[in-house]
Amino acid sequence: DAGITQSPRHKVTETGTPVTLRCHQTENHRYMYWYRQDPGHGLRLIHYSYGVKDTDKGEVSDGYSVSRSKTEDFLLTLESATSSQTSVYFCAISEGGGFTEQFFGPGTRLTVL
Amino acid sequence: RKEVEQDPGPFNVPEGATVAFNCTYSNSASQSFFWYRQDCRKEPKLLMSVYSSGNEDGRFTAQLNRASQYISLLIRDSKLSDSATYLCVVNSGGSQGNLIFGKGTKLSVKP
Repeated sequence: DAGITQSPRHKVTETGTPVTLRCHQTENHRYMYWYRQDPGHGLRLIHYSYGVKDTDKGEVSDGYSVSRSKTEDFLLTLESATSSQTSVYFCAISEGGGFTEQFFGPGTRLTVL
Repeated sequence: RKEVEQDPGPFNVPEGATVAFNCTYSNSASQSFFWYRQDCRKEPKLLMSVYSSGNEDGRFTAQLNRASQYISLLIRDSKLSDSATYLCVVNSGGSQGNLIFGKGTKLSVKP
């Protein structure tokens, strides 16, 4: 299995609080991604990174920001969590960007009350 | 038209059955194609890449029809452990491109 960890694995928070999710990889892959998965929607891309300090928006980026200061770490921040951001969040990595397979972390289950 | 479409299922089959999943995609510029499986409450895992010539990995066969923008996955001799959701994945095309995931087809293999 690819060396990808996510923390925390579970989190319950209240509306309006800031939340940061961490993705850590040991594969030295250039590309990293954050997805959310909700019933009826499948996996949707939030943000992605194509290098240190290089990030771009995905399909559902509103309300989220990201940072990547090191190759191995990609952080997802919800500045002010809302109930609509209750979801399962997956981090993924790939070597070759959009043309190659992605490998996923175990996911973070976030509940916003 | 949705970018990647799959029959949501569920497909309920007995052990030993052959089952086929189909997927259509809308972007003719797509160049990379994959099948992933996802177990309940787990992360998606790569099952196999799909090549233009078709490819086989044990009991699994994947085929691509670029003209029809259609991808298939065939599972022969189904096992209980094949029960999962199968995701069709296509790259969105373009120089940067990202992967677009179908919503998945749920398979349940019964004894």
